[in-house]
Amino acid sequence: SQQGEEDPQALSIQEGENATMNCSYKTSINNLQWYRQNSGRGLVHLILIRSNEREKHSGRLRVTLDTSKKSSSLLITASRAADTASYFCLLYYGNNRLAFGKGNQVVVIP
Amino acid sequence: GAGVSQSPSNKVTEKGKDVELRCDPISGHTALYWYRQRLGQGLEFLIYFQGNSAPDKSGLPSDRFSAERTGESVSTLTIQRTQQEDSAVYLCASSLVAAGGYNEQFFGPGTRLTVL
Repeated sequence: SQQGEEDPQALSIQEGENATMNCSYKTSINNLQWYRQNSGRGLVHLILIRSNEREKHSGRLRVTLDTSKKSSSLLITASRAADTASYFCLLYYGNNRLAFGKGNQVVVIP
Repeated sequence: GAGVSQSPSNKVTEKGKDVELRCDPISGHTALYWYRQRLGQGLEFLIYFQGNSAPDKSGLPSDRFSAERTGESVSTLTIQRTQQEDSAVYLCASSLVAAGGYNEQFFGPGTRLTVL
């Protein structure tokens, strides 16, 4: 199966700093979604970016997609302790094939 | 409105026994997905249902795994002759029509399966 690769795997930052994580893939996608998982709220959808889009914003989140490099980045600005979680990309390929990436663990230190 | 619910929340079973996991999707969601998440790892896609179409079983790891869904309602994931490597959290998600994957998935809380 096609598996996204996020880099870095683990990130520890101070509250107020920005956090950036990446997701790369090997085969063309229809769209890419980012999800957050923490113990309190389970898996929650954050943002979706289509293959014909290059950048999207949602609150403190900014997602970019570079289809030529087959990679996406998720930026969280002005991080908060509540942003501590694992972040996963979900890749949608054609024919309803999909795969989650391995995930980034982000720890925001108050 | 109710979200996706799963039962049981925890299941401990002995190696070789069969287990059945249940997922209640959000009403009106035609697409339903099952995933497996081993401790500290990402989500592994298992199976996907879209309305009354034949399910996409491409992610099922072995023939011990099967899933059913009646129409656009409840789904059950059955694992026969469980093995210790089946221990994981099994997550269910639902979404509106999934063509192209342009809809967010709503996840249930998961069922934690432990095979002794």
